[in-house]
Amino acid sequence: DIQMTQSPSSLSASVGDRVTITCRASQSINNYLNWYQQKPGKAPKLLIYAASSLQGGVPSRFSGSGSGTDFTLTISSLQPEDFATYYCQQSYSTPRTFGQGTKVEIK
Amino acid sequence: EVQLVQSGAEVKKPGATVKISCKGTGYIFTNYNIHWVQQAPGKGLEWMGLVDPEDGETKYAEKFQGRVTITADTSTDTAYMELSSLRSADTAVYYCVRELTAGPVYGMDVWGQGTTVTVSS
Repeated sequence: DIQMTQSPSSLSASVGDRVTITCRASQSINNYLNWYQQKPGKAPKLLIYAASSLQGGVPSRFSGSGSGTDFTLTISSLQPEDFATYYCQQSYSTPRTFGQGTKVEIK
Repeated sequence: EVQLVQSGAEVKKPGATVKISCKGTGYIFTNYNIHWVQQAPGKGLEWMGLVDPEDGETKYAEKFQGRVTITADTSTDTAYMELSSLRSADTAVYYCVRELTAGPVYGMDVWGQGTTVTVSS
């Protein structure tokens, strides 16, 4: 199984801050890396697919990068509605695996 | 509108079986795999398995192998997840989610609203 490791597990940031979350795969997954946002009591929402492609309707302040084993999700200017938990996930093989999540909290 | 609509909350006793449905609307059902994801209270997302509605092929996570059965009915565009021998650790929200069969690189783009399963004596 491919293990996905996110860091940090949580972070505190202020509105307007630039936020970066990293995700590492235990083996190469090419660009089969997706990012999801989840708010309390809600289903996850796809933000980024194929490592760097923005899902339709997602604000352009979200961006993704990376290939192989190392990936990054960046929020260029944190907005109040961005406080949530973020998960990376590989779709390279089954079992599909998720990172443990990064909780972005208000500073 | 593309949607996955899940059945309602369930309360089950230990040892029982639960079956959750997930109806797809607004898209060609057989073009997308349906995955099931478990989220225990306060925990992360855990993949349980998938079904390809086109041919019924399934794949399961080792953790749930032997207890989970995922099926799809193309006459009603509905997928099902059945989990047996329930224990308290199965108390969780269960999500169905679609992924383009021919293009997993596009991610899991439409999620159901989630079904809460509570296992309690």
